[in-house]
Amino acid sequence: DAGITQSPRHKVTETGTPVTLRCHQTENHRYMYWYRQDPGHGLRLIHYSYGVKDTDKGEVSDGYSVSRSKTEDFLLTLESATSSQTSVYFCAIGTGDSNQPQHFGDGTRLSIL
Amino acid sequence: GQNIDQPTEMTATEGAIVQINCTYQTSGFNGLFWYQQHAGEAPTFLSYNVLDGLEEKGRFSSFLSRSKGYSYLLLKELQMKDSASYLCAVQASGGSYIPTFGRGTSLIVHP
Repeated sequence: DAGITQSPRHKVTETGTPVTLRCHQTENHRYMYWYRQDPGHGLRLIHYSYGVKDTDKGEVSDGYSVSRSKTEDFLLTLESATSSQTSVYFCAIGTGDSNQPQHFGDGTRLSIL
Repeated sequence: GQNIDQPTEMTATEGAIVQINCTYQTSGFNGLFWYQQHAGEAPTFLSYNVLDGLEEKGRFSSFLSRSKGYSYLLLKELQMKDSASYLCAVQASGGSYIPTFGRGTSLIVHP
């Protein structure tokens, strides 16, 4: 299995609180991604990183920020969580080469009440 | 932008063959991935197609027709453990090669 660890695995919090999810890799891959997965929508890209301190927005980036200060860590922050951000969040890593698949972490189930 | 369409749900019988279709519209095409995702778990890579034709990997095969914007995943000799969601993901040409995922097809295999 690709070395990807997401933490926490489950979290319940209240509307308006800040939340940070962590993704840690041991594969030294250049690219890291954050997705959310919701029923009826599939996997949607929130933000991605193509190197330390290099990040870009995905399809559903509003309300989220990211940081990558080290190759191995990619953080996703919800500055002020809303109920619409209740979802399962997956981190993925990849080489960025066109014929190489992404490898996904086990996901974080986030509930915002 | 991209538009990717898959059936929402399919059912099949253990031991049978099932074909899961994926149609796509994209401004430029670079490649297509299939992933398997069991309930409550992470997606895992199944196949990658970049040229037209059939790629076979054991019980699973994947087909691509670039001119028709069409792919399918063929699962043979179905087993109960094949009950899962199957995700089609399309890479557009140019840029970062980040694929866009379809909504997934939930396959239920019954005895």
